[in-house]
Formats: sequence, C-alpha cells, structure tokens
Amino acid sequence: QKEVEQNSGPLSVPEGAIASLNCTYSDRGSQSFFWYRQYSGKSPELIMFIYSNGDKEDGRFTAQLNKASQYVSLLIRDSQPSDSATYLCAVSPPNDYKLSFGAGTTVTVRA
Amino acid sequence: ETGVTQSPTHLIKTRGQQVTLRCSSQSGHNTVSWYQQALGQGPQFIFQYYREEENGRGNFPPRFSGLQFPNYSSELNVNALELDDSALYLCASSPMQGQGDLQFFGPGTRLTVL
Repeated sequence: QKEVEQNSGPLSVPEGAIASLNCTYSDRGSQSFFWYRQYSGKSPELIMFIYSNGDKEDGRFTAQLNKASQYVSLLIRDSQPSDSATYLCAVSPPNDYKLSFGAGTTVTVRA
Repeated sequence: ETGVTQSPTHLIKTRGQQVTLRCSSQSGHNTVSWYQQALGQGPQFIFQYYREEENGRGNFPPRFSGLQFPNYSSELNVNALELDDSALYLCASSPMQGQGDLQFFGPGTRLTVL
C-alpha cells in the first residue's frame, strides 16, 4: 500500500466551477498535511497546510481533513485557467519531518 | 525575503560520473531537505539536514550523500551516477525547529544522466 494516494486525473473542470481533489494516507498517526501546486516544468509551491480535523479556507482554496477516515481533500472554488497544474498531496509522519507525497492530480480548467 | 535558491538549473552527466548540487535556504530557515522527483511522480525524500547533521534519510543508497554548512546552505552529492538518477532534484527549507515539516521548495536542478 502506498503511503499517500491520489487520483492521477486528469481532472477537467469548466472555468468558474469547483475542482475537488482527494488524497488518502496509510499512516494513521500522521500529523501534518499539505497541498502543493506544481506547474509543468516548475517546482512545487505550497498552497495549503492543515493540522486539525475540519476545514481550513484560504481565498479560493479549502482544505478538508478527516483523520478518522485518513482522508484529506482540496477544493478550488471559482476555478481559473491559471489553476491548471498538478496538485500534490503530502503527509508528514508522526515525530518526523520528512514529507511523503502522492503522485499528484493533474487539473485542467477549460475556458 | 530571499527564497530558496538552487544551482545549477540544468546538468548533463554520463553514467559513472559524480555530481554536486547546491542549495541556499530561505532567510530564517535552518533545516534543509532534499527530494528526487522522477517524471510523472511525486517527490521522494532523500534526506534532511538540521544543524549540520543528517536528520533522517529516505530509501536511497549511500552514494547519495549531503552536507549542511554553518550558513544553513546545503549540498547533495551523488556518486557513480546511474541512468535512473535522471530526475528533478528539489531542495526545500523549513523554519526554525518545530516546523520542520513546513517546507518551501527551490526551483530545482534538472539532472540528465546519459
């Protein structure tokens, strides 16, 4: 079982719609959860982090965490063509600072 | 505030050679982590340095080694290069102790092994 799993996509959404990305993780003791955005040919950019169960909102982005279900998601509201990228989910194990990444979900926002 | 910088941007080597990649951490950050990202994959953790000591290592062979300097900059060295070492090598820096998992990436070094 992979430590972090994401749907590879591609996920195609119309401009202005909500993009919903999902991520599951295997280590029940994981404490910290991150979403990175990676444009083609570029490095990952941290866009959201969440430590507690529930929702965390930042602008058009909402991260949702459910530790009981070992599930973390990212919602992108009012999707724009500039949101077209690969979104990487990362998880930090307990008492450890390494990040385990999923393979990423590619999102395409069509105008 | 200066972000994470890496050099060189691109590098082409042949199998069996050695390579050194460099990273300068973001201002105020004292922890540096290195990752390898193959095409179409998520980054894979190589190792992390804190206070000039290795602070955790991923599933990479000993020919991957590193250093951290007193100014918190870091080097990644890879000996006896193999074709599968072709990847994007990412350096990430973290704030002071206690937030080591809050990592910000540099632009990366694209290594091609022929």
